[in-house]
Amino acid sequence: NAGVTQTPKFQVLKTGQSMTLQCAQDMNHEYMSWYRQDPGMGLRLIHYSVGAGITDQGEVPNGYNVSRSTTEDFPLRLLSAAPSQTSVYFCASRLSQSGYGYTFGSGTRLTVV
Amino acid sequence: GQQLNQSPQSMFIQEGEDVSMNCTSSSIFNTWLWYKQDPGEGPVLLIALYKAGELTSNGRLTAQFGITRKDSFLNISASIPSDVGIYFCAGRGGNQFYFGTGTSLTVIP
Repeated sequence: NAGVTQTPKFQVLKTGQSMTLQCAQDMNHEYMSWYRQDPGMGLRLIHYSVGAGITDQGEVPNGYNVSRSTTEDFPLRLLSAAPSQTSVYFCASRLSQSGYGYTFGSGTRLTVV
Repeated sequence: GQQLNQSPQSMFIQEGEDVSMNCTSSSIFNTWLWYKQDPGEGPVLLIALYKAGELTSNGRLTAQFGITRKDSFLNISASIPSDVGIYFCAGRGGNQFYFGTGTSLTVIP
């Protein structure tokens, strides 16, 4: 049982480049979310999805796009990378009514130069 | 978004010491969770709390859901080197989870 799988583990981008961070879960979870983690700021919600075909913005959505065409996959797209997007990105999933919170992936460390 | 304040921000302790940390919110939550993040990994759930006043243990870890529903506490007894990491609280309000800023724990052998 793989849980939540994120790829790549590390990525370096030049300012202005675009890329997609991949996230897949095999637990049939309805909810999926993307967070970014910056020193001293905890985990901030970028975008989330409550099911296939449904997405919504979180606390810090600017510069990012998401889509949810299947239950399993929830990719995060950076449209035009900026140094301010240097961060560690976590994908997470949970059941819709779960009180156990999210299961997290192992993260993608992104550096924008 | 909701602000969850965790304290302390960091702790340096000797192996064998007990650890206490807490998390406070300006809003009422109906669930409190505590996660641990090992270096280079994602957060992993340690303890979940579902009602005010609840006290729950997981091995050497004990967490409490504050009676005001605006705070939660985590204690680690007899710390060991593998306790090192960042501890996050999370509160559930409505159908959203909100995370604290984390407490970084260093255990000195």
